[in-house]
Amino acid sequence: DAKTTQPPSMDCAEGRAANLPCNHSTISGNEYVYWYRQIHSQGPQYIIHGLKNNETNEMASLIITEDRKSSTLILPHATLRDTAVYYCIVRVTGAQKLVFGQGTRLTINP
Amino acid sequence: DTAVSQTPKYLVTQMGNDKSIKCEQNLGHDTMYWYKQDSKKFLKIMFSYNNKELIINETVPNRFSPKSPDKAHLNLHINSLELGDSAVYFCASSLRGERGGLDTQYFGPGTRLTVL
Repeated sequence: DAKTTQPPSMDCAEGRAANLPCNHSTISGNEYVYWYRQIHSQGPQYIIHGLKNNETNEMASLIITEDRKSSTLILPHATLRDTAVYYCIVRVTGAQKLVFGQGTRLTINP
Repeated sequence: DTAVSQTPKYLVTQMGNDKSIKCEQNLGHDTMYWYKQDSKKFLKIMFSYNNKELIINETVPNRFSPKSPDKAHLNLHINSLELGDSAVYFCASSLRGERGGLDTQYFGPGTRLTVL
């Protein structure tokens, strides 16, 4: 699985959009980009995934650059409950394991 | 309603003891996993079972023995506990072949193991 690079921490004001970047310059053509998050003391939670098109669901939007070497997770209206560690993972479809990096610790401030 | 559940939530024990952690999922998934999150918060896979068959074993000491009595359960037994085993252990499950093999994993709440 390709390696990802994320900033170790970010802050965002409540109600604003939180934009979390991820670099995955060695991603291969059959690897998806996944985002999970881990709220303090809880198990990781799936957020969204994508291959090359931008994706949106009820939790977030995922923007993948055209060359697929980086992506951005967008939480459109961050709340205090979005404070968590966010993990960007690239993974081949059908691969069994998730390889977690250090992630980005996102703090939403009132 | 709980999708992936683990018991116990907390486990405190002495070095050298043997202990088990249980995991159950009611999602109808066919693949289950154990992950370990150490004190530095790194989350790493330990084992994966598909239809009760071991498919991933990530260089885990053989003191750790997973057991899957059926597709809905994956238990983790640990012999001769050591201080370094102290961590949070997460169980997860997924459906192999979900929508083109995307295999979204759903995690349990974790079991915090403290070895004294």
